[in-house]
Amino acid sequence: NAGVTQTPKFQVLKTGQSMTLQCAQDMNHEYMSWYRQDPGMGLRLIHYSVGAGITDQGEVPNGYNVSRSTTEDFPLRLLSAAPSQTSVYFCASHFGGSSTDTQYFGPGTRLTVL
Amino acid sequence: EDKVVQSPLSLVVHEGDTVTLNCSYEVTNFRSLLWYKQEKKAPTFLFMLTSSGIEKKSGRLSSILDKKELSSILNITATQTGDSAIYLCAVRSGANNLFFGTGTRLTVIP
Repeated sequence: NAGVTQTPKFQVLKTGQSMTLQCAQDMNHEYMSWYRQDPGMGLRLIHYSVGAGITDQGEVPNGYNVSRSTTEDFPLRLLSAAPSQTSVYFCASHFGGSSTDTQYFGPGTRLTVL
Repeated sequence: EDKVVQSPLSLVVHEGDTVTLNCSYEVTNFRSLLWYKQEKKAPTFLFMLTSSGIEKKSGRLSSILDKKELSSILNITATQTGDSAIYLCAVRSGANNLFFGTGTRLTVIP
């Protein structure tokens, strides 16, 4: 199994540009999530999905869109990048539905918005 | 407001020392508490503690959940330079709300 994969690893955008961060998992997990990690702020949940076709907002959803057309893929879209979105983005997945499941993280995408 | 607080923020020790990292939380509908180790890239899962599993051990690492005090500790004995990392505590509230602390940066000096 490849686990959770993310592309790209690094990205530099100009203010106002749009882009999509890709996330895929091959573990047949129902739940997938996007986090951003900023210095001193810990990991914050952006959006999550509990299954194909179902998404919901997390703690910091503004400026981001998600969709879940398949179980495997959960892309994160930045509609109009802003310098405040400079961060490291992690995608994660887990089976869900149990208090004993564990969450698996992708390697992260480092995004810089100029 | 749900929150997870870790202490200390950073810690510098010598190889062979024993360290204790702390995590306290205030969340509604507690499901589980997770510890992660983060080096250069993505966090690596260490332990998950729940009401039915309040103590876990793996090699030199061990962790205990105190549901009464709403806290957990992560112990590392006989530290090695490879233990240098940021240790993250996260608390699961409900099915998919996972609240992270800001982490403890551990530096182990040879």
